[in-house]
Amino acid sequence: EAQVTQNPRYLITVTGKKLTVTCSQNMNHEYMSWYRQDPGLGLRQIYYSMNVEVTDKGDVPEGYKVSRKEKRNFPLILESPSPNQTSLYFCASSSTRGHGYTFGSGTRLTVV
Amino acid sequence: GENVEQHPSTLSVQEGDSAVIKCTYSDSASNYFPWYKQELGKRPQLIIDIRSNVGEKKDQRIAVTLNKTAKHFSLHITETQPEDSAVYFCAARDLNTGFQKLVFGTGTRLLVSP
Repeated sequence: EAQVTQNPRYLITVTGKKLTVTCSQNMNHEYMSWYRQDPGLGLRQIYYSMNVEVTDKGDVPEGYKVSRKEKRNFPLILESPSPNQTSLYFCASSSTRGHGYTFGSGTRLTVV
Repeated sequence: GENVEQHPSTLSVQEGDSAVIKCTYSDSASNYFPWYKQELGKRPQLIIDIRSNVGEKKDQRIAVTLNKTAKHFSLHITETQPEDSAVYFCAARDLNTGFQKLVFGTGTRLLVSP
């Protein structure tokens, strides 16, 4: 089944403790992206990647890192999480510029 | 950069009525406009999209219209059903640029009452 898989689905952590949210797609998509969803603000892009080793900042990149060492994987790294990073995170991928993204199931992160 | 505004933020209709959600965009270079439906606790899912060389596109009960001159596009849902209740997001993107920057509106919560 073609899908984007995120892990974990839920995560509660403490301020400053490094964490990684994994994202993997099995559709051989070139393009991958991370979004955060907050009430009243919609979906805001954090980082995106056009292909292996090609990444760039979205609208809200502060406090986040990404890497794209393999085509299928695009992990999101929070080196020192803070409470304002409490949010619902979605990974997404796309095969070409002409199609919309396929989203993962989401990761609900709470930083206390 | 691109900015997408979406209205209304909430919309309540009776089953069988039509619903219209409107979005405006700022970047005239944007040429791809998808719509996503997000049910409670679920991921956003693409329901319909339109490119700037087309003025209207239909898929059963849903349709999208695009006015490039005014830089706005709309989602139309006819004969609404309770299962249409969800949050709907519009988005815009310039397919000619070298990156995948898809900018979303803030969402419309649609409630269809039986």
